[in-house]
Amino acid sequence: DGGITQSPKYLFRKEGQNVTLSCEQNLNHDAMYWYRQDPGQGLRLIYYSQIVNDFQKGDIAEGYSVSREKKESFPLTVTSAQKNPTAFYLCASSSQVGGYEQYFGPGTRLTVT
Amino acid sequence: DQQVKQNSPSLSVQEGRISILNCDYTNSMFDYFLWYKKYPAEGPTFLISISSIKDKNEDGRFTVFLNKSAKHLSLHIVPSQPGDSAVYFCAAYFGGSGMRFGAGTRLTVKP
Repeated sequence: DGGITQSPKYLFRKEGQNVTLSCEQNLNHDAMYWYRQDPGQGLRLIYYSQIVNDFQKGDIAEGYSVSREKKESFPLTVTSAQKNPTAFYLCASSSQVGGYEQYFGPGTRLTVT
Repeated sequence: DQQVKQNSPSLSVQEGRISILNCDYTNSMFDYFLWYKKYPAEGPTFLISISSIKDKNEDGRFTVFLNKSAKHLSLHIVPSQPGDSAVYFCAAYFGGSGMRFGAGTRLTVKP
């Protein structure tokens, strides 16, 4: 089945450690996105990528980094510079930038203590 | 800067009645609008969309209305069913940008 995979579903890390969240899609989509959701807030755009080896900052990119070495993969690294890393992280993809429809993965809940 | 706003955090309706979820936006460059439905601990799923060249789009029980002059859109669900209970997000974008989401409205449909 085609879709987006995010792993793991729950992730726990100690403060000061970098952590990388996985996102893989087999939809053959060109564009991929990372969002963060906090309680009572909508999804906020962290980074997005239109094509391989290219990506742009979203609204809240500080403390995060990404890479897009393969079309199907768009990992997100939450660095120790991110002040409030505990959140629900969602990856999405679309056939073109901006989407018309973005397809979302199941999300990863990251808890940093 | 919240470019897409959903001012009602929750809405409760009786089964069979109409649910109306509202959304306002500030960026006049947005030219495509979408509604997503989300259950806890899952990713959002696409529900319905509308282009800025239209003022209405209908898909079964779901209808989205767009009022560009007021920078307002709404989602109507008729008739509402208990299975519609979820958080609904309004989203908007313009070409080449990432999508911007509202904070969501939690809809509860009571049997």
